Amino acid sequence: AQTVTQSQPEMSVQEAETVTLSCTYDTSESDYYLFWYKQPPSRQMILVIRQEAYKQQNATENRFSVNFQKAAKSFSLKISDSQLGDAAMYFCAYTTTGNQFYFGTGTSLTVIP
Amino acid sequence: DTEVTQTPKHLVMGMTNKKSLKCEQHMGHRAMYWYKQKAKKPPELMFVYSYEKLSINESVPSRFSPECPNSSLLNLHLHALQPEDSALYLCASSQGPGLREMYTEAFFGQGTRLTVV
Repeated sequence: AQTVTQSQPEMSVQEAETVTLSCTYDTSESDYYLFWYKQPPSRQMILVIRQEAYKQQNATENRFSVNFQKAAKSFSLKISDSQLGDAAMYFCAYTTTGNQFYFGTGTSLTVIP
Repeated sequence: DTEVTQTPKHLVMGMTNKKSLKCEQHMGHRAMYWYKQKAKKPPELMFVYSYEKLSINESVPSRFSPECPNSSLLNLHLHALQPEDSALYLCASSQGPGLREMYTEAFFGQGTRLTVV
């Protein structure tokens, strides 16, 4: 069974500081994609970053970067220089087939001014 | 165009009503999805259409009926819903199954906030 676990239901960070959100997953597949999605109160799910499992290099998108540890099945998201607009629910997600996406339970991030 | 457009944005319906949710994408994606999401919970997969054919139905009650008229459109027909069906309904699309190099993220619409009274 494919599972995605986010062990931090809530996190908070001071504006301009750095925060790391954790995600672990369980799969027997060797080929897959991992994603972090952001869902602000406006409710649209927005892709933050993605990682191809066959790539060794950690993905980076501006202030967002991941720490992908394939052997440990870990995929954490680091947000640097946190901004008020980063406040949202963050979901870790995973797909193997490109036809079904599995989501973690989410982490609610608060940014403190 | 990287948008998935959902209409309506809000819907209030009675338990005896029939209504439909609509979803449209013009990215050439061959997989389209309906998800149901309760507050502060992850999206729950309801249906997947792949190449316009229903490929996954996650044991959804028959009062929800999906339809994929063409590769760009996805509908969700609602009939005789219950108050517990009140939720945010999200449509998404992705490249779909195929070569590994084609796997990409799912693009989501803004959702329809459904209230059943």
